[in-house]
Amino acid sequence: EADIYQTPRYLVIGTGKKITLECSQTMGHDKMYWYQQDPGMELHLIHYSYGVNSTEKGDLSSESTVSRIRTEHFPLTLESARPSHTSQYLCASSEMGGASYEQYFGPGTRLTVT
Amino acid sequence: DQQVKQNSPSLSVQEGRISILNCDYTNSMFDYFLWYKKYPAEGPTFLISISSIKDKNEDGRFTVFLNKSAKHLSLHIVPSQPGDSAVYFCAAYSNDYKLSFGAGTTVTVRA
Repeated sequence: EADIYQTPRYLVIGTGKKITLECSQTMGHDKMYWYQQDPGMELHLIHYSYGVNSTEKGDLSSESTVSRIRTEHFPLTLESARPSHTSQYLCASSEMGGASYEQYFGPGTRLTVT
Repeated sequence: DQQVKQNSPSLSVQEGRISILNCDYTNSMFDYFLWYKKYPAEGPTFLISISSIKDKNEDGRFTVFLNKSAKHLSLHIVPSQPGDSAVYFCAAYSNDYKLSFGAGTTVTVRA
């Protein structure tokens, strides 16, 4: 069973606040990802990392930033939340190389900005 | 430009019958395909996958078919059970370690 955790699960916050969404995995995976997903829509990749000190922007432009100081930890930060940031944020991880292309997902954070 | 398309947003099926979910893709560089299942307020969980060198992969009640010439894959669930009611995402992988996802199909299994 995959061990990837996200906190908080739900967050309601006012406009202009700074927030950090936490993501941790205990599988030792090198690759980690952040997706944004709205109901009825595809998952959009907003950030990814291939290892410590590696971060890249994804296919969907995002005002968030990420860091990867430790293999197991990949937090996402919004400096100033806006209502347009209301969405579900999903963190995932996968092995580097090998025969498996599967990404393991955390339970997600449902963010509402009022 | 969306490279993976699931044109049916929803599907309703009677318990015990077959569910068929369809997925089309445009990028011929995709070489591996996955299906994920997602319940509300949870993250997606991996269901089944298929390599581009195969045309069929089966795992219990789930079978995925790939038609490379048509750039089309489908997921068959038989027999459908109430616990199968969820959103199903098709995803495709190229050689950059990233997945491209479709918009999902919501399956409702009626008793």
